[in-house]
Amino acid sequence: DIQLTQSPSFLSASVGDRVTITCRANQDISNYLAWYQQKPGKAPNLLIYGASTLQSGVPSRFSGSGSGTEFTLTISGLQPEDFATYYCQQLNTYLLNFGGGTKVEI
Amino acid sequence: QVQLVQSGAEVKKPGASVKVSCKASGYTFNTYSVNWVRQAPGQRLEWMGWINAANGNTKYSQKFLGRVTITRDTSARTAYMELSSLSSEDTAVYYCARCLAGTYCLGSAAFDIWGQGTVVTVS
Repeated sequence: DIQLTQSPSFLSASVGDRVTITCRANQDISNYLAWYQQKPGKAPNLLIYGASTLQSGVPSRFSGSGSGTEFTLTISGLQPEDFATYYCQQLNTYLLNFGGGTKVEI
Repeated sequence: QVQLVQSGAEVKKPGASVKVSCKASGYTFNTYSVNWVRQAPGQRLEWMGWINAANGNTKYSQKFLGRVTITRDTSARTAYMELSSLSSEDTAVYYCARCLAGTYCLGSAAFDIWGQGTVVTVS
């Protein structure tokens, strides 16, 4: 199975900060990676797919990059509503598993 | 409005089964696959399996093989996930999610529409 490791697990930041989250796969997954945002008690919300394609309706301060085994999610200018947990997911092969999550808090 | 609406919370005894429904609206049901994902308290998201709503083909996570069954009723625009032989470790929120790529959910795909979640408590 493909394993996804996110870092950091927790991130303390302030409004306006530039934040970068990393997701590493233990084998090549091309660009078949998605990023989600999840707030407490809510379902995840799709941000990025295909490693760098912004989902419709998602603010442009969110961006994704990477291919192969290393990927990043960047939030340029953190907003109050961005404090949440972020997950990566690989869609290269079944099992369509997720990373362990990164909690972004104040 | 494209949405998935799931059935309500369930409380089950160990050894029992649970069946969760996921009703689609606002899009052509049989042109997308539906995935099931669960999240135990404080844990990461865990993919369980998916169903091609067009032909009913399924794919399951090895972890749940033999315990999970995903079905759909195209006339009712509804997908179902049944999990058997429940234990306390199955206590979680269960989500259904549509695959934006259509019926085949690999490659440049992702889960674009999610249900609100169904809390299943095994106690």
